[in-house]
Amino acid sequence: ETGVTQSPTHLIKTRGQQVTLRCSSQSGHNTVSWYQQALGQGPQFIFQYYREEENGRGNFPPRFSGLQFPNYSSELNVNALELDDSALYLCASSLAPQGNEKLFFGSGTQLSVL
Amino acid sequence: LAKTTQPISMDSYEGQEVNITCSHNNIATNDYITWYQQFPSQGPRFIIQGYKTKVTNEVASLFIPADRKSSTLSLPRVSLSDTAVYYCLVGDLPTGTASKLTFGTGTRLQVTL
Repeated sequence: ETGVTQSPTHLIKTRGQQVTLRCSSQSGHNTVSWYQQALGQGPQFIFQYYREEENGRGNFPPRFSGLQFPNYSSELNVNALELDDSALYLCASSLAPQGNEKLFFGSGTQLSVL
Repeated sequence: LAKTTQPISMDSYEGQEVNITCSHNNIATNDYITWYQQFPSQGPRFIIQGYKTKVTNEVASLFIPADRKSSTLSLPRVSLSDTAVYYCLVGDLPTGTASKLTFGTGTRLQVTL
């Protein structure tokens, strides 16, 4: 167990809807990164939050947005859902934002867009 | 960030040693090499990390040659429960910059009896 929890575990939405995914980071971690993993692919970096500020972003459109709260938990929001947004969404927490920091992943939220 | 190349899949019998090699020809001076393991419907799990030479922990060893352009993850005496996808990542960024670690497609290891 990594101590990182994500909710919900599964979600079904229809195209055009909005969704909010939640992540509770491991105790003592101030950095949260979000990844999208399509079936058969490796996780793709969406963005990272460090001390409540967005600290970097991957190649995802603005309809993917996020928040980090004072307790370092985080949310991923996706607006105007598209069919291609169907994927496993992973949250990872770490002690710091640097690339050599160990990432602790949650089990993910499986999002299906119909 | 340095890109990595790994075999798409590998097969092994239970009890054998498995070596998975990752190529990262453009690795930068500050880059560390990190391996993760992922089971279906779960998030990746950290296995091991190294910078140079050899690193060993309770589950694996990581061999890094002097030029650091490749690395080899060694799993001793694999069992059925080691069936998973293994990712090699390289990267480190200056303080305050996001760790945009790039996961490739990984190596799918299948262990059988």
